[in-house]
Amino acid sequence: GNSVTQMEGPVTLSEEAFLTINCTYTATGYPSLFWYVQYPGEGLQLLLKATKADDKGSNKGFEATYRKETTSFHLEKGSVQVSDSAVYFCARSGGSNYKLTFGKGTLLTVNP
Amino acid sequence: GAGVSQSPSNKVTEKGKDVELRCDPISGHTALYWYRQRLGQGLEFLIYFQGNSAPDKSGLPSDRFSAERTGESVSTLTIQRTQQEDSAVYLCASSFRLAGGRTDTQYFGPGTRLTVL
Repeated sequence: GNSVTQMEGPVTLSEEAFLTINCTYTATGYPSLFWYVQYPGEGLQLLLKATKADDKGSNKGFEATYRKETTSFHLEKGSVQVSDSAVYFCARSGGSNYKLTFGKGTLLTVNP
Repeated sequence: GAGVSQSPSNKVTEKGKDVELRCDPISGHTALYWYRQRLGQGLEFLIYFQGNSAPDKSGLPSDRFSAERTGESVSTLTIQRTQQEDSAVYLCASSFRLAGGRTDTQYFGPGTRLTVL
């Protein structure tokens, strides 16, 4: 079946450090790929998405590129801020394109 | 409303009791989804509603779980005879449906945290 594997946390960085959170997915069908973020005490929010191979999703300084050859969708940010502290979830859509399969989430803490 | 809303935000119940969770989707979103997030785990798909089509119930973990949706509005998720392993955050999401049967980005509510004692 479909699955998503993302790097386990927690990840702790200093402000302005470079961030990478790895995510790989099973290569069945033609999924769309997503990163969702859950800030403390808030609901899940879409951070960015990519719908086909080689697409790059970007938002709030975060980027992720849909790599079909490596079945990856790694999240990157060049300079993190304290306000980026949250749990980040990688997800893929299913064969019918509506079921989302999520990774287990990565807790990011950014210290000043 | 501006976003997906869910109620209650927190629910504590005793083992064996029934609970009902409510979701109000974004107005105009024809697709509605329920997911479960257990501690330290990713989200698990439970059920999907699309308009008047038969719902996809393939993710419901047991026959104690059921869900209903009235037209393209409110949905309720009911868990009968709750067990401790049902403790989780239950998330609702909604989206537009696109041409060709595909669905657009899912927008999530804040969730209901269910604790079964």
